[in-house]
Amino acid sequence: GAVVSQHPSWVICKSGTSVKIECRSLDFQATTMFWYRQFPKQSLMLMATSNEGSKATYEQGVEKDKFLINHASLTLSTLTVTSAHPEDSSFYICSASGRGGGDTQYFGPGTRLTVL
Amino acid sequence: AQSVTQPDIHITVSEGASLELRCNYSYGATPYLFWYVQSPGQGLQLLLKYFSGDTLVQGIKGFEAEFKRSQSSFNLRKPSVHWSDAAEYFCAVGIETLTTSGTYKYIFGTGTRLKVLA
Repeated sequence: GAVVSQHPSWVICKSGTSVKIECRSLDFQATTMFWYRQFPKQSLMLMATSNEGSKATYEQGVEKDKFLINHASLTLSTLTVTSAHPEDSSFYICSASGRGGGDTQYFGPGTRLTVL
Repeated sequence: AQSVTQPDIHITVSEGASLELRCNYSYGATPYLFWYVQSPGQGLQLLLKYFSGDTLVQGIKGFEAEFKRSQSSFNLRKPSVHWSDAAEYFCAVGIETLTTSGTYKYIFGTGTRLKVLA
């Protein structure tokens, strides 16, 4: 149980375009979803926390207008990287917690974004 | 400020040997503590967690961890390592968010990469 999926697994885009990443909880209702960014051989840095039906709470230093987060349902959250630039290239990971999961976060497999 | 320290960036052990991965945290309240493992191409998998109660926690794949409040530590152990345990291991502390009661966000350590020699 407690499976989280992400789509796509990897994406390559041109500089200036926008990219949407989906995060779904497959077998539980995710009242809270989290988005992380992981640089090569480094730890996970929390970008934002979103509760279903509410605006996301962004960590200090994360641009709200650059990284748009939507959590419209209990099973789906999306991260849109707007006007992507090469410095946005990274590994983006989502996690979910909620009913049936308690305070434990369950992680998706991640999305590799490469901006050319 | 809250933080998690994993002092060992890389650890190499022989298959069958015992393993201990260190984790120290800084947090003013009673922490929620977690160990996750990340294998290439796969998402983070929860090994074990500590919320309260018995300070020795058993997890999956034969791992255990001991919470020591006096040392602010939550070290991960395994008595006999298998080649399939080679991966990146992350310790995390869960702290309650300021915006939503009952919601905990994680602060991760920098990870320890485990290499297993045949």
